[in-house]
Amino acid sequence: DAGVIQSPRHEVTEMGQEVTLRCKPISGHDYLFWYRQTMMRGLELLIYFNNNVPIDDSGMPEDRFSAKMPNASFSTLKIQPSEPRDSAVYFCASSTDGGEPQHFGDGTRLSIL
Amino acid sequence: DQQVKQNSPSLSVQEGRISILNCDYTNSMFDYFLWYKKYPAEGPTFLISISSIKDKNEDGRFTVFLNKSAKHLSLHIVPSQPGDSAVYFCAADTDKLIFGTGTRLQVFP
Repeated sequence: DAGVIQSPRHEVTEMGQEVTLRCKPISGHDYLFWYRQTMMRGLELLIYFNNNVPIDDSGMPEDRFSAKMPNASFSTLKIQPSEPRDSAVYFCASSTDGGEPQHFGDGTRLSIL
Repeated sequence: DQQVKQNSPSLSVQEGRISILNCDYTNSMFDYFLWYKKYPAEGPTFLISISSIKDKNEDGRFTVFLNKSAKHLSLHIVPSQPGDSAVYFCAADTDKLIFGTGTRLQVFP
């Protein structure tokens, strides 16, 4: 079975540019999560969706960040405008209802110059 | 403020010996915990979990211990193998996962 698929795997762009990260969750999973990993703060939850509806976006750092889930098989995390401090690895994860452990994608390594 | 803390950023253990990774949490209402393992350039993968109704859960070489009064959990790996070298994250499961900052385990021959 295919796991959570993220694209791109690596993104290097200049400050001020728009960045879009993509995620395809595991089919049948009702929950989708976006995380950011940094050395200082570890894995931080940014936002999560249940049945395509955003439930908790309290981890989104500021208005430059936005996330959408237009259907059950696709989500995007957008940063506009990007800043060097946004450089991190961004993970997407999905899970079913009922407490099953989350399954993570392999992440997008984002570098903002 | 970190609600889940892994105070040892790294640990080095000889193959065949025991690895003990520690995790502390601040909220006594947390009642379910997970450990994830992460290799470089890959996402975290679930390893083992424990509910607060238990103080121990075992799966092969991996055992997690929970001390609720101390708000402390630990992951024991016995015997340690080179393939166990990875970053280990503990997490508290509320309505979402709250992760610690991770401990990098290196198992050397």
